[in-house]
Amino acid sequence: KQEVTQIPAALSVPEGENLVLNCSFTDSAIYNLQWFRQDPGKGLTSLLLIQSSQREQTSGRLNASLDKSSGRSTLYIAASQPGDSATYLCAVSGIKAAGNKLTFGGGTRVLVKP
Amino acid sequence: DGGITQSPKYLFRKEGQNVTLSCEQNLNHDAMYWYRQDPGQGLRLIYYSQIVNDFQKGDIAEGYSVSREKKESFPLTVTSAQKNPTAFYLCASSIQSANYGYTFGSGTRLTVV
Repeated sequence: KQEVTQIPAALSVPEGENLVLNCSFTDSAIYNLQWFRQDPGKGLTSLLLIQSSQREQTSGRLNASLDKSSGRSTLYIAASQPGDSATYLCAVSGIKAAGNKLTFGGGTRVLVKP
Repeated sequence: DGGITQSPKYLFRKEGQNVTLSCEQNLNHDAMYWYRQDPGQGLRLIYYSQIVNDFQKGDIAEGYSVSREKKESFPLTVTSAQKNPTAFYLCASSIQSANYGYTFGSGTRLTVV
């Protein structure tokens, strides 16, 4: 059974510092990996989707890498801002034949201090 | 604008009652999913549906039921058999035939009173 772990569970940094969020998964037979942002009491907003054949994806200040063989993904957020404060969740998708289901990590709660 | 609409935003349930959470999407997505989120935890899959009139149990289906009579709609019923229903419920959808990832709704917070 796929298990997804995110370390650290919480992170506090001063504004301007780069953020590094880690995600690991136990089964490398994934279809894709998706990073989400969740604000308190809100739904999930998709940040980046990395297909299993890709090594990384970039969007603005965000960059996510994927190493399937080692079961790891890292989300980098450059030059953090107070507005980046949120919980970040990574999720891996199983194969389409299995319903393309997402398995989530527990999330990393980020606080960027002004 | 296309998206997923969940209603209501807040729901209160008395002991022994069944309640139904609504999820509607206008994205023309094939698949729909229900997840449960407890404080400080990740999301756990309750039920999912890949096509109309078909659905499968997820990891924590006990005490819940669903239907998929229309492509756009995937309501979730929390029955009295669910012993600890207080949680945040999230609905999502995706395209099965393409690798576009998931889109999520804004969630329903259910509280037992």
